[in-house]
Amino acid sequence: DQQVKQNSPSLSVQEGRISILNCDYTNSMFDYFLWYKKYPAEGPTFLISISSIKDKNEDGRFTVFLNKSAKHLSLHIVPSQPGDSAVYFCAASALGTGNQFYFGTGTSLTVIP
Amino acid sequence: KAGVTQTPRYLIKTRGQQVTLSCSPISGHRSVSWYQQTPGQGLQFLFEYFSETQRNKGNFPGRFSGRQFSNSRSEMNVSTLELGDSALYLCASSPSTGDYGYTFGSGTRLTVV
Repeated sequence: DQQVKQNSPSLSVQEGRISILNCDYTNSMFDYFLWYKKYPAEGPTFLISISSIKDKNEDGRFTVFLNKSAKHLSLHIVPSQPGDSAVYFCAASALGTGNQFYFGTGTSLTVIP
Repeated sequence: KAGVTQTPRYLIKTRGQQVTLSCSPISGHRSVSWYQQTPGQGLQFLFEYFSETQRNKGNFPGRFSGRQFSNSRSEMNVSTLELGDSALYLCASSPSTGDYGYTFGSGTRLTVV
């Protein structure tokens, strides 16, 4: 049972434009969400997080939006750069479950120069 | 400082054999989590160890086990290997449990033939 879903396996965006990666979840107990970026042959790298008490968190070119009523979060990258080309995973955790995270299946982003 | 180190990087085993993977967390990190990554399934949580105790366990058969030593280094063991166990096994460390956010290692690629 996939509790975190990323329904777009891939996304292509022109350099300089906005990339929007989406993630849906089913468990209403999730209260913390993260995005990770993964290059081939490397482990995932933490990108940005958001707590359920917020609806937006921004870090440089990266902004994560959380819509709790829709159980949906999105990652915006503006402007997109070729170095952003990677697989992006969203992950969610519920309070009291320690470091157990549920990951989506990932979206492969390609930024075209 | 040194990152999360996983050894070996690549491993080929035969069905029915057992395998042990090793993970050295970032110095000072006491929580170590293990994930299995397969195509189409994303990252699936195996277990988390904190202060030598298993804190959480994912939905995997008993053939998958782990342990953590007093220096926080962790090992995971898979017995009676099956073809479906072929995957990238990722270890991640965090200063404490419930810290919300890991640093991942580069993983061990296990191939079962």
